[in-house]
Amino acid sequence: EAGVTQFPSHSVIEKGQTVTLRCDPISGHDNLYWYRRVMGKEIKFLLHFVKESKQDESGMPNNRFLAERTGGTYSTLKVQPAELEDSGVYFCASSQGLSSYEQYFGPGTRLTVT
Amino acid sequence: AQKVTQAQTEISVVEKEDVTLDCVYETRDTTYYLFWYKQPPSGELVFLIRRNSFDEQNEISGRYSWNFQKSTSSFNFTITASQVVDSAVYFCALLSNAGGTSYGKLTFGQGTILTVHP
Repeated sequence: EAGVTQFPSHSVIEKGQTVTLRCDPISGHDNLYWYRRVMGKEIKFLLHFVKESKQDESGMPNNRFLAERTGGTYSTLKVQPAELEDSGVYFCASSQGLSSYEQYFGPGTRLTVT
Repeated sequence: AQKVTQAQTEISVVEKEDVTLDCVYETRDTTYYLFWYKQPPSGELVFLIRRNSFDEQNEISGRYSWNFQKSTSSFNFTITASQVVDSAVYFCALLSNAGGTSYGKLTFGQGTILTVHP
């Protein structure tokens, strides 16, 4: 069974540009999450999808971030326009069923904004 | 509010030493779940263990053991006879039904970098 995959693994963009991160959850997992780790700090929750619906987006930092999950399969996280403080590692995780007790994480996308 | 504190930023040991990683948490919920994840150099977060708030039994899995104490709000992780392959960043995390929303949001500690020298 394939795990959670994320694309790209690394992205380097200039301030003001747009970047789109993609996450493919484990097949059959209804729950999909985005987290972010800014350099040296804790991993912070961004949002949670149940199928294609946003269950909780309380961690989204501002309206420059847009997450979508069309059709309830893969998800994208767009940052537009990117700022320097957006640099970090973006993790995606997925879990099965209503009880989201075990979240399986992808390898992350390292985003560097210069 | 939920909070997880891993006071040890970095730990360095020599192979075969035992090492304990500390984790202290805060939550007002009576039902919650605690986790440890390992992040090896490859970057992904690898699930190690989940513990329910109503089960304070300690757990051992090979060289790994976990000590959960509700009285001190701690969930410490011990590696016995450490090996070089144990070198990684270890994260403690809390999952609770904060504010009545679904159990979805993991609250992480800052992570402890463990380096095991040969």
